[in-house]
Amino acid sequence: GENVEQHPSTLSVQEGDSAVIKCTYSDSASNYFPWYKQELGKRPQLIIDIRSNVGEKKDQRIAVTLNKTAKHFSLHITETQPEDSAVYFCAADSGYSTLTFGKGTMLLVSP
Amino acid sequence: GAVVSQHPSWVICKSGTSVKIECRSLDFQATTMFWYRQFPKQSLMLMATSNEGSKATYEQGVEKDKFLINHASLTLSTLTVTSAHPEDSSFYICSALGLAGGLSSYNEQFFGPGTRLTVL
Repeated sequence: GENVEQHPSTLSVQEGDSAVIKCTYSDSASNYFPWYKQELGKRPQLIIDIRSNVGEKKDQRIAVTLNKTAKHFSLHITETQPEDSAVYFCAADSGYSTLTFGKGTMLLVSP
Repeated sequence: GAVVSQHPSWVICKSGTSVKIECRSLDFQATTMFWYRQFPKQSLMLMATSNEGSKATYEQGVEKDKFLINHASLTLSTLTVTSAHPEDSSFYICSALGLAGGLSSYNEQFFGPGTRLTVL
């Protein structure tokens, strides 16, 4: 089955800095890669996603890049703000819309 | 659109009792729903895939007789934790598969708010 690795497990940045979270996947057939933000005790919220037919996608301060050959994808957050502090999960679609999640990255943005 | 609700949001029960958690898609029909378990400071672990009108597909290591899933309609799936024990205490989250917004023809998982189960 699919295996998704996510790094780092924790990330501390100063407000205004950029943050990068990286994930690798094992199943070359995976073709959909969403990123979720989860605040404590809340549901995961989809923040951006990318499909295997594109290499990069951007939405304001958030961008995702995908390297299919290397089987890795990354989340980039620019101009971070304290409200960006949360746990971020990457995921890969293993088929039949089934998602395999990474272990998560706790992002802390200090004012 | 694409709202998923869960009920209850939290429940405390005694060891040995059964607890039922409901997952509803409020404004769309979902032939497929997923049930996840999330322990503190850990990731979401898929427990089972629930398909309307058929038996659920359980992930390896998940006991189907302990975690009963019923998907009787296109808007409702239920998870029953039978003979609950303290080690079953966790955050249970469902998601429903629906069309992504806008003109997209792709499916997307929409998550419920989760149910915090505490077994004493």
